[in-house]
Amino acid sequence: EPEVTQTPSHQVTQMGQEVILRCVPISNHLYFYWYRQILGQKVEFLVSFYNNEISEKSEIFDDQFSVERPDGSNFTLKIRSTKLEDSAMYFCASSTSGGPDTQYFGPGTRLTVL
Amino acid sequence: GESVGLHLPTLSVQEGDNSIINCAYSNSASDYFIWYKQESGKGPQFIIDIRSNMDKRQGQRVTVLLNKTVKHLSLQIAATQPGDSAVYFCAETPIYNQGGKLIFGQGTELSVKP
Repeated sequence: EPEVTQTPSHQVTQMGQEVILRCVPISNHLYFYWYRQILGQKVEFLVSFYNNEISEKSEIFDDQFSVERPDGSNFTLKIRSTKLEDSAMYFCASSTSGGPDTQYFGPGTRLTVL
Repeated sequence: GESVGLHLPTLSVQEGDNSIINCAYSNSASDYFIWYKQESGKGPQFIIDIRSNMDKRQGQRVTVLLNKTVKHLSLQIAATQPGDSAVYFCAETPIYNQGGKLIFGQGTELSVKP
């Protein structure tokens, strides 16, 4: 069964450093998403992406964040200068269509900022 | 503001019993609802969805009920098994949303006793 994959599973970085989280969405999906989950809290939407541009972003997704689809299979989230409060699980998701549609999630990347 | 929340943070049931997990939403402009299961250290896993033009939908051992009058969503799990132990999230997408943003509730932890 096709699934969303994410690498790395765990990333440890120093405050102020740049990190890139990588995702490979399900191959025939066209819509891609990033969410984050701070430990013990609910999953929060960060950004949606379609046709090589951002469709929607939350207030969390400030200028320190960027997304890219560098090739036909990868979807990345970059945090330019990490802060302590960026420590969280980051989930990538993808769906066939936008709007109301089932989103399939990857296993997540645990980001720890020291 | 808009929010999706859960009535009970934890639920403990005996193996074989039925489980009911509840969710309240405050955004009446909602079109699509999904229940996700999240096991420890994993990403949200799709269980079942329902659109606002329906009030009930059944899957394998699971049923979702939607009451738009009181803005209430529930997930029923029949013959609960130890493998059902996880945190369950409801999520919704407003009808006006084209970016596909999912708004997640706080989560209910289901614990199944053998």
